[in-house]
Amino acid sequence: QVQLVESGGGVVQPGRSLRLSCAASGFTFSSYTMHWVRQSPGKGLEWVALISYDGSNYYYADSVKGRFTISRDNSKNTLYLQMNSLRAEDTAVYYCARDDFGGPDYWGQGTLVTVSS
Amino acid sequence: QSVLTQPPSVSAAPGQKVTISCSGSSSNIGNNYVSWYQQLPGTAPKLLSYENNKRPSGIPDRFSGSKSGTSATLGITGLQTGDEADYYCGTWDSSLVWVFGGGTKLTVL
Repeated sequence: QVQLVESGGGVVQPGRSLRLSCAASGFTFSSYTMHWVRQSPGKGLEWVALISYDGSNYYYADSVKGRFTISRDNSKNTLYLQMNSLRAEDTAVYYCARDDFGGPDYWGQGTLVTVSS
Repeated sequence: QSVLTQPPSVSAAPGQKVTISCSGSSSNIGNNYVSWYQQLPGTAPKLLSYENNKRPSGIPDRFSGSKSGTSATLGITGLQTGDEADYYCGTWDSSLVWVFGGGTKLTVL
């Protein structure tokens, strides 16, 4: 069965960096586009970024463009999100999600990132 | 402020039917497929409907998606208390970003 397990969240000071990982199993990771989506406490879903199956194409939300980088290692079945220059408004649960039809289908359980001094 | 507009909340009694609307524009819903997600309290979102009206395997036919022009609708029949959740619509936008609605909280009275 499809499994996505995020890790790397935690408490970080404003301006610092953090790298999230998403370990995939139960499907051919290298064949799928992948997304990162976040949810601030008590708020709705916010799409963050997308990377194509081979890593050749990627897109970002305006709110993170220039600060976050999405990447993947198909040999390790792992998706990454490098987050730099973190701000308080980046505090959220970060989900990775597979894309099977032109949008997110299976989601991981999420990892919490708290940006606070 | 979300690109896609959903009502903040809807409610209905057990066994009844409810609809949740999602309004967009020609830049998103008007020219792209719409998906719907259910988020039960404390859990990750789950895909309920994709490509406007298709259901993933395992999703009961009580849940149905539809689209007309620049709006989409999620219908839920035979409401159960276990359907209490937040529901989100989503689609591509012409600016090459995926967009979600602001979410609708369903209360089963």
